[in-house]
Amino acid sequence: AQRVTQPEKLLSVFKGAPVELKCNYSYSGSPELFWYVQYSRQRLQLLLRHISRESIKGFTADLNKGETSFHLKKPFAQEEDSAMYYCALTQGAQKLVFGQGTRLTINP
Amino acid sequence: NAGVTQTPKFQVLKTGQSMTLQCAQDMNHNSMYWYRQDPGMGLRLIYYSASEGTTDKGEVPNGYNVSRLNKREFSLRLESAAPSQTSVYFCASSGTLYEQYFGPGTRLTVT
Repeated sequence: AQRVTQPEKLLSVFKGAPVELKCNYSYSGSPELFWYVQYSRQRLQLLLRHISRESIKGFTADLNKGETSFHLKKPFAQEEDSAMYYCALTQGAQKLVFGQGTRLTINP
Repeated sequence: NAGVTQTPKFQVLKTGQSMTLQCAQDMNHNSMYWYRQDPGMGLRLIYYSASEGTTDKGEVPNGYNVSRLNKREFSLRLESAAPSQTSVYFCASSGTLYEQYFGPGTRLTVT
């Protein structure tokens, strides 16, 4: 069965430090993976998707099929990056399977 | 262009009461979804509708029913609420590119 695992429920780093949010998945086919973000008092929104290979708000994520990972990275964290982050995997028919989420806190 | 709207924003129910959560989207999307969000569990799919007139169970459908009233609206009904259904409920919709657009959520407490 398709599964997404985010091993860290909470992650706290200092402003200016590098950030890496981990995501591992299990999927039998060719996955399409996403990172969604939920800022305080805002609705959940798409941050980036692996097929776009883009950098959004300084974040990047590389799909590593060998390690079945899709970690989210940013070289220099900003306070406005504090949010809840969800990794997600398509399950066909446009359904998504979400990980448990990581709450990222950036300390000043 | 409001995107995805949900009503109500908050609701408190007693065990055994029923209620319907409403969701509407104005993006002409075919697919719509209902999720629940619980601490440490992430978002779990309750039901989804790939197109008008069709609905399918997700990961946690027990205790819920849905209606895809038309292309815009997708409602979630709790027939007999239980404390285990205390959660934040999100509706979402998507077009053809897998990106899902979420509503603001409904915070439901069942006592």
